Amino acid sequence: NAGVTQTPKFRILKIGQSMTLQCAQDMNHNYMYWYRQDPGMGLKLIYYSVGAGITDKGEVPNGYNVSRSTTEDFPLRLELAAPSQTSVYFCASSYRRILAGPSSYNEQFFGPGTRLTVL
Amino acid sequence: TQLLEQSPQFLSIQEGENLTVYCNSSSVFSSLQWYRQEPGEGPVLLVTVVTGGEVKKLKRLTFQFGDARKDSSLHITAAQPGDTGLYLCAGAGETSGSRLTFGEGTQLTVNP
Repeated sequence: NAGVTQTPKFRILKIGQSMTLQCAQDMNHNYMYWYRQDPGMGLKLIYYSVGAGITDKGEVPNGYNVSRSTTEDFPLRLELAAPSQTSVYFCASSYRRILAGPSSYNEQFFGPGTRLTVL
Repeated sequence: TQLLEQSPQFLSIQEGENLTVYCNSSSVFSSLQWYRQEPGEGPVLLVTVVTGGEVKKLKRLTFQFGDARKDSSLHITAAQPGDTGLYLCAGAGETSGSRLTFGEGTQLTVNP
């Protein structure tokens, strides 16, 4: 299994340009996520999906859009790039691990990231 | 909004020393995870704790979930240069479904 793959690894955009960050997973996970990570910071959730055709906003969705037409792919779209979107973007997928009793949790698997600079 | 505060933010120690990283919140979490991230890579899951008071060991790393499920700690014994990285805690709220809230991380540097 390749796990979670992301393309491109690096990209420089001019203000106002658009682009799509690609994310794919081959683990048949239902859940997928997009995060951004700014220098010295943790991860902020942009959008997530609990299955094909279902997406929802995270903490910082403004300026981004997503779609989930298949289980495997979860692209992130930037329509009008702004310098504030300079960041490292991580895609992740997860499955739900069911424990004895009512407990369950998700283990997230991350891609290698896309480093985006907007000038 | 659930917040996770990690401390310290930066830690630089010599090989062979012990250290503890803390992850605290005022909110209750149904589970808490620790990830390690190396430069240029995505985070990698180290452990998940789900029961208040739970202790898990992974070689020289010991993870503990607080009794009230609001805090966690990561203790490393005899740190090695290979332990260098960004350590992130992440919690799943009782009503947040599959979403995780991440702390801002502890950057650990172990000098040979």
